[in-house]
Amino acid sequence: AQTVTQSQPEMSVQEAETVTLSCTYDTSESDYYLFWYKQPPSRQMILVIRQEAYKQQNATENRFSVNFQKAAKSFSLKISDSQLGDAAMYFCASGNTDKLIFGTGTRLQVFP
Amino acid sequence: DAGVIQSPRHEVTEMGQEVTLRCKPISGHNSLFWYRQTMMRGLELLIYFNNNVPIDDSGMPEDRFSAKMPNASFSTLKIQPSEPRDSAVYFCASSPGREAYGYTFGSGTRLTVV
Repeated sequence: AQTVTQSQPEMSVQEAETVTLSCTYDTSESDYYLFWYKQPPSRQMILVIRQEAYKQQNATENRFSVNFQKAAKSFSLKISDSQLGDAAMYFCASGNTDKLIFGTGTRLQVFP
Repeated sequence: DAGVIQSPRHEVTEMGQEVTLRCKPISGHNSLFWYRQTMMRGLELLIYFNNNVPIDDSGMPEDRFSAKMPNASFSTLKIQPSEPRDSAVYFCASSPGREAYGYTFGSGTRLTVV
């Protein structure tokens, strides 16, 4: 069975600083994808970044980047130059087109 | 495109009543997913459809829950009879089904059963 673990229930960061959210996963699939979703208080689930497991290069989207360690089954999210609008729940997910399994989430607080 | 559209946004009902949640996926997306989010259990996949056919309903908690997708542009999740423990946010999501672009989620329906 697939599992996704986010070991940090809460994190905090000061505005303009950098923060890293951790995620580990377990899967028996050879072809899979990894995602980070953001859920602000509005509860809308927003795709932040995705990574194809067969690609060694880490994905980057503006201030968001990942550190993908396939052998360790680790997929952390780095947010650079944090902004107040980054405050939200962040969910890591693993799967493919058929099914995504989500972690329990990390609540990120951003302080001015 | 208007994105994935769910209705209603909020629903309050009495225990024992039937509840129907609705979802319109993004046009051209051939996979549709129903998730439930609670504080205790996080995001749980209830069921997903591919080309309007239910593929995996192993996440449906019990027979009180049923889901249909009569055509490519509409799906329902029904709870009959509803119970207080069904209170949660229910999300619908759709995906193109090609490679893994990730899912596009609707805004969710907050269900409260009193």
